[in-house]
Amino acid sequence: AQTVTQSQPEMSVQEAETVTLSCTYDTSESDYYLFWYKQPPSRQMILVIRQEAYKQQNATENRFSVNFQKAAKSFSLKISDSQLGDAAMYFCASQGGSEKLVFGKGTKLTVNP
Amino acid sequence: DTGVSQNPRHKITKRGQNVTFRCDPISEHNRLYWYRQTLGQGPEFLTYFQNEAQLEKSRLLSDRFSAERPKGSFSTLEIQRTEQGDSAMYLCASSSGQGSTDTQYFGPGTRLTVL
Repeated sequence: AQTVTQSQPEMSVQEAETVTLSCTYDTSESDYYLFWYKQPPSRQMILVIRQEAYKQQNATENRFSVNFQKAAKSFSLKISDSQLGDAAMYFCASQGGSEKLVFGKGTKLTVNP
Repeated sequence: DTGVSQNPRHKITKRGQNVTFRCDPISEHNRLYWYRQTLGQGPEFLTYFQNEAQLEKSRLLSDRFSAERPKGSFSTLEIQRTEQGDSAMYLCASSSGQGSTDTQYFGPGTRLTVL
């Protein structure tokens, strides 16, 4: 069984600053994928970034990057130059051995002007 | 590509009533997924379809829940004899089912309130 843990229920960051959201996971699969999804208030969930476990290089999408530590089963998300529009719930998720996504409980990110 | 759509967006019902939700996936997406999200939690997987075949069901999907995707396009999720514990956001997602970058795209969800 897969589990995903997000230990930070809430985080806040000043506009233009950098913030890191933590995620740890557990899986017995050798081939799996990791994701960060963003869910703005009353809006639908969108994919922020994905990482294939077999790739050693950390994924990057514009201001979003991950720190994937496979041995430690850690998958943190770094948001650089934070913008007001980044305010949302962020969910870490894993996928392996099955098509389903397993999500953490989420981290609420507040961006202060 | 108009995205995943779900109807209705909100549903209020009384305990014991039956409800049905609809999901229209992104055109030509082979895979369709249902998740349930309760307040303060991440989404939990319910079931998924590859075309019209229902390939996986969670133990969360009790016998009061049934999902169909009759022609491999839209899907319906029915809850019979609703209970207050069924109150949640029901999310639908779809993916192409092809290649190594098979991303799930989510719809806006149907929020169910059982009184």
